[in-house]
Amino acid sequence: AQSVAQPEDQVNVAEGNPLTVKCTYSVSGNPYLFWYVQYPNRGLQFLLKYITGDNLVKGSYGFEAEFNKSQTSFHLKKPSALVSDSALYFCAVRDSNTGGFKTIFGAGTRLFVKA
Amino acid sequence: DAGITQSPRHKVTETGTPVTLRCHQTENHRYMYWYRQDPGHGLRLIHYSYGVKDTDKGEVSDGYSVSRSKTEDFLLTLESATSSQTSVYFCAIGGGGITDTQYFGPGTRLTVL
Repeated sequence: AQSVAQPEDQVNVAEGNPLTVKCTYSVSGNPYLFWYVQYPNRGLQFLLKYITGDNLVKGSYGFEAEFNKSQTSFHLKKPSALVSDSALYFCAVRDSNTGGFKTIFGAGTRLFVKA
Repeated sequence: DAGITQSPRHKVTETGTPVTLRCHQTENHRYMYWYRQDPGHGLRLIHYSYGVKDTDKGEVSDGYSVSRSKTEDFLLTLESATSSQTSVYFCAIGGGGITDTQYFGPGTRLTVL
């Protein structure tokens, strides 16, 4: 069965510093990986996804994520954090063996960026 | 929020009462989903639809039913609400293919007393 873990409930970073939000996954087939962000009282917004190809995926708002097959990880990164990046971040995975309907979301990581 | 509205946005109800949440889309997507969001659990799929009158269960479907009589509307019904169904409910569209992105509505916060 597919699963995804976000090992940190919360990440704190100072504005201007690089940020990393961690995600690891488990699938039986090929993984398709997604990052979403949720601002207060809003729905989830798509940031980026890994389907195949280049392991470094670039997305919205300056975010990028690195797919590492050997470590089964898909960490979200940004070179220079902004206070406005403070939000709840979700990693999600689909498994080629179970099809497109079943998306498993991580529990979420709350990012605080301090000015 | 990608042409998706949810109503109501907030609701407080009592245990044992029926509740219906509505999701409306203007994007003409074939696939629609209902999720619940709870602390420590992320989002969990309740039901999904792959066309008018075509629905199926997700991982936490007990106590919920859905209906889709038109492409643009997907209804979630709690036949007899329980306190364990207190949650934030999100509707999503898209994502029918394994590489497709899902787009989420603004959510409905439901409290069952």
